[in-house]
Amino acid sequence: AQSVTQLGSHVSVSEGALVLLRCNYSSSVPPYLFWYVQYPNQGLQLLLKYTSAATLVKGINGFEAEFKKSETSFHLTKPSAHMSDAAEYFCAVSDLNYGNNRLAFGKGNQVVVIP
Amino acid sequence: ETGVTQTPRHLVMGMTNKKSLKCEQHLGHNAMYWYKQSAKKPLELMFVYNFKEQTENNSVPSRFSPECPNSSHLFLHLHTLQPEDSALYLCASSSPDASGNTIYFGEGSWLTVV
Repeated sequence: AQSVTQLGSHVSVSEGALVLLRCNYSSSVPPYLFWYVQYPNQGLQLLLKYTSAATLVKGINGFEAEFKKSETSFHLTKPSAHMSDAAEYFCAVSDLNYGNNRLAFGKGNQVVVIP
Repeated sequence: ETGVTQTPRHLVMGMTNKKSLKCEQHLGHNAMYWYKQSAKKPLELMFVYNFKEQTENNSVPSRFSPECPNSSHLFLHLHTLQPEDSALYLCASSSPDASGNTIYFGEGSWLTVV
């Protein structure tokens, strides 16, 4: 079964500094990979997704992620953190069956932005 | 603004109550899901419905009873819940498309069992 690993439940970053959230996946088939963001008291919002078209994926709010098959990784980055980036971030891998989709989520990274 | 709408956003219920969570998706999707999000735990998939038929039940206790009358609506009926059932319940929907099968989430219903 597919799975993802996100290390470090809390990540602190200074405003203006690089945001780097690591995600490693395990999959027996070419994966679909996703990053979701959850702002306080809200549901999950899709940040970006990898579907084999391009290894560098650009998402909303200045985030991007790079798929590296050799490292089984899909790390999320943003060059310069903003206070509004404070949220929880989830990496997920898809176990895709036609018609429905089981997403395996990581445990999430709570990002704190320090002024 | 979201294509998946959940009501109520907050619910407090006693252990002997019966209540329901409602989800409606406006995206024309074929599949709908219930997820449970508890503090310090990964998101847990509870149920999957595909074209109104339940295709997955992840060993969820019978005090949670889903209902999917059509592809746009999904309910979660709750009865005789336990305090440990307090959590955020997220509804989601998806359909296959050219770039995969992206799941879209609602904003969640916060449930507190007292």
